[in-house]
Amino acid sequence: GAGVSQSPRYKVAKRGQDVALRCDPISGHVSLFWYQQALGQGPEFLTYFQNEAQLDKSGLPSDRFFAERPEGSVSTLKIQRTQQEDSAVYLCASKTGGGYGYTFGSGTRLTVV
Amino acid sequence: KQEVTQIPAALSVPEGENLVLNCSFTDSAIYNLQWFRQDPGKGLTSLLLIQSSQREQTSGRLNASLDKSSGRSTLYIAASQPGDSATYLCAGEGQAGTALIFGKGTTLSVSS
Repeated sequence: GAGVSQSPRYKVAKRGQDVALRCDPISGHVSLFWYQQALGQGPEFLTYFQNEAQLDKSGLPSDRFFAERPEGSVSTLKIQRTQQEDSAVYLCASKTGGGYGYTFGSGTRLTVV
Repeated sequence: KQEVTQIPAALSVPEGENLVLNCSFTDSAIYNLQWFRQDPGKGLTSLLLIQSSQREQTSGRLNASLDKSSGRSTLYIAASQPGDSATYLCAGEGQAGTALIFGKGTTLSVSS
């Protein structure tokens, strides 16, 4: 596609509910990244895929967070048993290779009530 | 661990002013550096990418430079306009293909 697509755009979840956030990267982009952005802060790294391989998940805040990219294209970030502190904007980015820049999606705003 | 500091945190200027936003890294080993713009409630829009072999990039009224020896980057905006009002984020890539590390951003307000 022309850009990175994320869905849903907004998600309201009750505390304890599981959520799944989707990212459709630019076609052919090898690398895919997930970031979490709290209000008034810069994006914080969560995890990184190269094709279907998850190369770095050091930024995932707890074992309630899980990400996958089974076929090396679409990725899903899953949060189990959501808590209020999970409320944030979740951004996805993709890039084609080492010398190129990152393209970000519009993000999913998650609100846990 | 790489940390990125952006100064100032917020800036208000009248239309037409030239301005400079600053970004510094604790680890000067930066591969690529990218400046982004973020409008309220929106995602990130890439403004300029300074690749590993480059020192600066220009696009229209924007100019970004990177001094790897000091770990500092600046974004220069010429003849600011109200439409430039947004949060500007700088981010560095430590090695090719690794995650970007972001600063907290500078929120710019340009009044007409």
